[in-house]
Formats: sequence, structure tokens, C-alpha cells
Amino acid sequence: GEDVEQSLFLSVREGDSSVINCTYTDSSSTYLYWYKQEPGAGLQLLTYIFSNMDMKQDQRLTVLLNKKDKHLSLRIADTQTGDSAIYFCAESRDSSYKLIFGSGTRLLVRP
Amino acid sequence: DAGVIQSPRHEVTEMGQEVTLRCKPISGHDYLFWYRQTMMRGLELLIYFNNNVPIDDSGMPEDRFSAKMPNASFSTLKIQPSEPRDSAVYFCASSFSGGGRETQYFGPGTRLLVL
Repeated sequence: GEDVEQSLFLSVREGDSSVINCTYTDSSSTYLYWYKQEPGAGLQLLTYIFSNMDMKQDQRLTVLLNKKDKHLSLRIADTQTGDSAIYFCAESRDSSYKLIFGSGTRLLVRP
Repeated sequence: DAGVIQSPRHEVTEMGQEVTLRCKPISGHDYLFWYRQTMMRGLELLIYFNNNVPIDDSGMPEDRFSAKMPNASFSTLKIQPSEPRDSAVYFCASSFSGGGRETQYFGPGTRLLVL
């Protein structure tokens, strides 16, 4: 199947770390992505990871990939109120530029 | 760079009317994608083009939907006739194959309401 699944909602306190999880079903996925959508805006690419990697760090963002379990996570360190948004996990496969998106996780950061 | 430009940003129309959504990709990008976002179905890829040629239109819901890309800097998505269930946010995105497939840039979207 083509499903990419995410939990719908996450609430954290400002300054804490956030961890957003995603599972995918296709083992042929080559790239996995995290996009952020703020209210009324389009999607903004945050980071991506190639399937032969297991971790990628970019400033406050850490992506972990467990290829065996088909599990992807995004950790945001020192979460700020400006991080409140919907976060989408997406995958693409070898022969296609098509992205398969999860349903999105709404992150709420409480002051 | 201005990014991906979409127009109009908002469209309200009556059932049965024709709706045309427009997109200008980032200059130099050779891939263009049309997505639809709804609460019920999330983000769906409708169609994508490479070098102005449609590559995969399997996501286009039905014959009422059509998309064209007459040149590298312009694409349209047309719905004729429109129905209330077409109400959604429609996103256009573009990418450059030479830069790696990870760089898909999204426009701000067109919010369509069909009454």
C-alpha cells in the first residue's frame, strides 16, 4: 500500500523537545521528507533524509530513520511558539518524483 | 526569487461554473505539480509535468478536471463544471531535477469554495 501514517496532534510546552512520528509502508522509498505548513500558507520543506541514512541533524531539527521498522521521526529541540504548525511526513520512490504525504501532525506549543 | 506564484489566492464560485487556477513555477524548474488539500483526504497529488509534458495524471479526480502547461513558466488547472465537493485548497509546486528531488517548492495555494 501507499499509506504514510502520522498521529494527528501533539502538544508541548515552550522550551521542551517535540518528537513527531511517522510510519510508511513502502520499503522502496528512497527519500523521506518533513514539511511544515503554517496557517493559511503552503508547505515548506524543513528537511529530508535519504533512505540509506539513519540520522540527520540540522540545527534544532533531528531526523531519525529506522528502515527496518519503516519509522521516521522529527525531533525539534527547544520548541518555540513559532514552531506551532502542521508537520507532514512524505516519501518518494525510485522511479517517481511523486510525493506520498501523511495526514499531518498538528503541533501546538504552549507558552 | 519570488517563489511559486499562484492566482487567484481565493475563489468563490457557484456550482456549474468554470474555474481556472493559475501557477507560475520558479524560473528554471523543470517539474511542476498540482496538489489538492482537504480535511477529509489530506494532500493529494493530482498531476505533474516534466518539461511541460504531463507525466502522471492518475490523481485527477474525473473528466471535469484538466491541466495544461503551455510553456515552462505557466500552468493552469481547470474545473468545468465545478461542484461543491471540489472545494479545497489547491497547491502548485515546482522542482528542479538537477538539484535533487528533495527540492519541491510549494506556492501559497488557491482556496476554492464552490457554493
